[in-house]
Amino acid sequence: GAGVSQSPSNKVTEKGKDVELRCDPISGHTALYWYRQSLGQGLEFLIYFQGNSAPDKSGLPSDRFSAERTGGSVSTLTIQRTQQEDSAVYLCASSFWELANYGYTFGSGTRLTVV
Amino acid sequence: GDSVTQMEGPVTLSEEAFLTINCTYTATGYPSLFWYVQYPGEGLQLLLKATKADDKGSNKGFEATYRKETTSFHWEKGSVQVSDSAVYFCALRLRDNYGQNFVFGPGTRLSVLP
Repeated sequence: GAGVSQSPSNKVTEKGKDVELRCDPISGHTALYWYRQSLGQGLEFLIYFQGNSAPDKSGLPSDRFSAERTGGSVSTLTIQRTQQEDSAVYLCASSFWELANYGYTFGSGTRLTVV
Repeated sequence: GDSVTQMEGPVTLSEEAFLTINCTYTATGYPSLFWYVQYPGEGLQLLLKATKADDKGSNKGFEATYRKETTSFHWEKGSVQVSDSAVYFCALRLRDNYGQNFVFGPGTRLSVLP
């Protein structure tokens, strides 16, 4: 597609429920990144993918968070047993791997509210 | 570790004013530097970038120069507009380290009043 697409744009869920957030990167982009932006906070790195593999999962805040990427394209970030502190905007970005030094393209984010 | 420091604001000023937003960094290697802008309700957009010392990024009236001697990448605009109201994030990325994610500053919220 023309840009990075994230869905849903907004999600309200009850505490304890599982949620899935989806990211469709720009076609052909080999690198995909997930960030979290909490209210009034900066950007927190969560995980990146090179192709379908995620060499570095250290940014995931707890074992309730997981992510996968299939076919070198779509990625899903799953949060199990959501907690109120998970409320944030989750941003996805992508780039060509060899051009990552020149900047990423970000999606508009998914605003997650846990009530 | 690598880090980015920027004035957090909020910064509020009148339309057509001159503005500089500061950004300084600490990096273990030789980074590329970026400014991203986030307009209300939107995702981040790349605004400026510089990949080596003395590079000047320029876009939409914004300018920033990569100053290696002062480890800075301040942006400035001669005449801000109401439409420039947004949050501005300074970021670095180490070159030739493709596994490295960006390191972002905390963001500077700018409000321009008519």
